[in-house]
Amino acid sequence: GAGVSQSPSNKVTEKGKDVELRCDPISGHTALYWYRQSLGQGLEFLIYFQGNSAPDKSGLPSDRFSAERTGGSVSTLTIQRTQQEDSAVYLCASSLREISGNTIYFGEGSWLTVV
Amino acid sequence: AQSVAQPEDQVNVAEGNPLTVKCTYSVSGNPYLFWYVQYPNRGLQFLLKYITGDNLVKGSYGFEAEFNKSQTSFHLKKPSALVSDSALYFCAVRPGIMNRDDKIIFGKGTRLHILP
Repeated sequence: GAGVSQSPSNKVTEKGKDVELRCDPISGHTALYWYRQSLGQGLEFLIYFQGNSAPDKSGLPSDRFSAERTGGSVSTLTIQRTQQEDSAVYLCASSLREISGNTIYFGEGSWLTVV
Repeated sequence: AQSVAQPEDQVNVAEGNPLTVKCTYSVSGNPYLFWYVQYPNRGLQFLLKYITGDNLVKGSYGFEAEFNKSQTSFHLKKPSALVSDSALYFCAVRPGIMNRDDKIIFGKGTRLHILP
């Protein structure tokens, strides 16, 4: 596709349920990021995938959060046993690896509301 | 540790006046620097970046930024602000080629209000 695609765009879930958020990066992009953003606030880094390297999971806030990237393309962020504080917009971004001067492109985000 | 700072949470500018959104960074080696803009209920949009060469970089929507190596700054500027420029602006730095960790680092964002 032309840009980073995220689904669902909006998700309302009950506390305690599991949710899966999907990110489809730009074709050929080997680097993929997940961020969390509370309403109107800054970006909170969650996880970074770079090619075949082990992902940088240093930003995941708890063991309820996990992410995988299959075949070096599509990524899924899973939140287990959701809590109200998980309500936020989850942003995915991708870029080429190359020598780091490449632009990172963001999707429109998945807005999660836990009720 | 590598970092980027946006010292102002909010900047207010009258329409038609010049605007500046500040950004400073701390990173080893020669960094790659970026500015992004986020409009309400949208993802981040790329504005401009500095890789190498001319210190003054021009980007989308009439914005420009100046890389100052001695001051480790990359301030975003526009000569004449528009009400439609009101948004959340993020500065970002990505370590240069000599760094094994090329993860991009974002500032906390600066909210720009352009007053009619």
